[in-house]
Amino acid sequence: ETGVTQSPTHLIKTRGQQVTLRCSSQSGHNTVSWYQQALGQGPQFIFQYYREEENGRGNFPPRFSGLQFPNYSSELNVNALELDDSALYLCAFLGDPWDTQYFGPGTRLTVL
Amino acid sequence: GESVGLHLPTLSVQEGDNSIINCAYSNSASDYFIWYKQESGKGPQFIIDIRSNMDKRQGQRVTVLLNKTVKHLSLQIAATQPGDSAVYFCAEINNAGNMLTFGGGTRLMVKP
Repeated sequence: ETGVTQSPTHLIKTRGQQVTLRCSSQSGHNTVSWYQQALGQGPQFIFQYYREEENGRGNFPPRFSGLQFPNYSSELNVNALELDDSALYLCAFLGDPWDTQYFGPGTRLTVL
Repeated sequence: GESVGLHLPTLSVQEGDNSIINCAYSNSASDYFIWYKQESGKGPQFIIDIRSNMDKRQGQRVTVLLNKTVKHLSLQIAATQPGDSAVYFCAEINNAGNMLTFGGGTRLMVKP
């Protein structure tokens, strides 16, 4: 087990709604990344947070936003949901050895 | 753009045989690669990593080979077991050290 937890496990929303996904780690590591994984594909990098600041962003529109809290847990917010946002959303904390990212179990989001 | 890809989408092996999963990468400047295993309904699980100053690295029943000349990465699994059935991804870390780029994955099926 990686010690990374995500909530909720599953979520169903309708187009146009907003969603907040959460991620935390027992490790105390201060860097968290979020990824979107469409069915049958590899994860795609959304963004990374380091000490509460965004530290790199992938090719995702501004309606994907995030937060990191002083305890290093994190939220991913998606506004104006679209059907194509249906995916598994993964968070990962940086751990030892350096650069290795340890993933949580993911949140399965379905947009109807 | 830079990408990490896989040669075979599905690999079927007999229990007890050795498995080899291949991956090509295009960013010659990449210096860190990771293999992940993803079981159905779970997040990617770290298997083994390798840096570009190495050609080979061994773990428990797994070996990763890196050929920088042809930009090729492989994962060898010895004595494949039913529990090895999963999708395997190779990933490379970008120069900023904050983003993993994944390939599309290879599904490994182990026949009893």
